[in-house]
Amino acid sequence: DTGVSQDPRHKITKRGQNVTFRCDPISEHNRLYWYRQTLGQGPEFLTYFQNEAQLEKSRLLSDRFSAERPKGSFSTLEIQRTEQGDSAMYLCASSLVHGDTQYFGPGTRLTVL
Amino acid sequence: GIQVEQSPPDLILQEGANSTLRCNFSDSVNNLQWFHQNPWGQLINLFYIPSGTKQNGRLSATTVATERYSLLYISSSQTTDSGVYFCAVVERGADGLTFGKGTHLIIQP
Repeated sequence: DTGVSQDPRHKITKRGQNVTFRCDPISEHNRLYWYRQTLGQGPEFLTYFQNEAQLEKSRLLSDRFSAERPKGSFSTLEIQRTEQGDSAMYLCASSLVHGDTQYFGPGTRLTVL
Repeated sequence: GIQVEQSPPDLILQEGANSTLRCNFSDSVNNLQWFHQNPWGQLINLFYIPSGTKQNGRLSATTVATERYSLLYISSSQTTDSGVYFCAVVERGADGLTFGKGTHLIIQP
């Protein structure tokens, strides 16, 4: 069991650029979650997948944010036309089933200049 | 949506002291987890405890679901216990975790 991995760990970009983050969940975990954490706050839930189906989108912060999990394994989170307010830690988590323990990856820290 | 309140927000203790962190939540939950966030931002699972009591070494946790609170106990604190402790819940009928604002714990040598 290798744990949840995320790539890259750090990303610096200029305002207006698009960025994409990857998350690899624990193998055999059907559920995959994305969260955002800003400085001094707890993580905030964004979206989640059951296998390849995205079952919650309404918490995504704007239509510039989108996520995919095309084969039910890894997932990507894309932010288009980044803004300085998007600077945050983006965290991914996975769980075996609904209501089970969620295990978090190390996060991707995004800085928008 | 569900509200999660953690107290105290900040706690400074000497090495060897014991501490109790509290988490109150406003509605029924399917899941309650306690995490320790290290200085690099990694969320480390401490307990999955939607009800009952669990112990792991110097740490223990109790959740009283009917009264909508959970407690995290840290005994014989060490400097490596420093960091932010988060309580997070999954509301009944929902899926994502809702986090409290955390307790920032500093253990001084």
